[in-house]
Amino acid sequence: GESVGLHLPTLSVQEGDNSIINCAYSNSASDYFIWYKQESGKGPQFIIDIRSNMDKRQGQRVTVLLNKTVKHLSLQIAATQPGDSAVYFCAETLYSSASKIIFGSGTRLSIRP
Amino acid sequence: DTEVTQTPKHLVMGMTNKKSLKCEQHMGHRAMYWYKQKAKKPPELMFVYSYEKLSINESVPSRFSPECPNSSLLNLHLHALQPEDSALYLCASSQGGGGVLEQFFGPGTRLTVL
Repeated sequence: GESVGLHLPTLSVQEGDNSIINCAYSNSASDYFIWYKQESGKGPQFIIDIRSNMDKRQGQRVTVLLNKTVKHLSLQIAATQPGDSAVYFCAETLYSSASKIIFGSGTRLSIRP
Repeated sequence: DTEVTQTPKHLVMGMTNKKSLKCEQHMGHRAMYWYKQKAKKPPELMFVYSYEKLSINESVPSRFSPECPNSSLLNLHLHALQPEDSALYLCASSQGGGGVLEQFFGPGTRLTVL
């Protein structure tokens, strides 16, 4: 079956620098994408989403970029803080049936002081 | 209240036991979900309830039996589990009915099957 995958399983970033987490998806029919953050001992937490009719969406300190041509998604975190340490999952679904979300394999983000 | 609660936090059970996991939300959400998450893996969807009716079953073995007694509660009944069923079981909810799509997750129940 088709799945969502990530380029890097781990990412280490200096505190204060920007982080970029990448994701590749293979289901060309997917039209809704979500980034989740999962801290140790907690469930995933919604960060930001984007629909396929957009190529960029900004939130507070986070930006999601979508490149449908190469089926690529990225999450940019500005001025990374120790509290950003977590595993980040991208996920894909169909907006019309967004109950069924397929998660990517995840990237662990660690922050160097 | 924007929280999904799950009980118990941890559960250890034998392969012949019967136990239940519970999930509760008071956000007025009409869609509720069960996910299974193995260590260092992403969550995998198991079941979806929409307006208290089972709408998606991802070919989950019958030893897992979901139940939605009302719009705020979701249970997962466990019977004759195998050691490979040991995992973090996550509950989530969303508005449902074509509304806001964001899923809110609980902290999960860490299940160990001996």
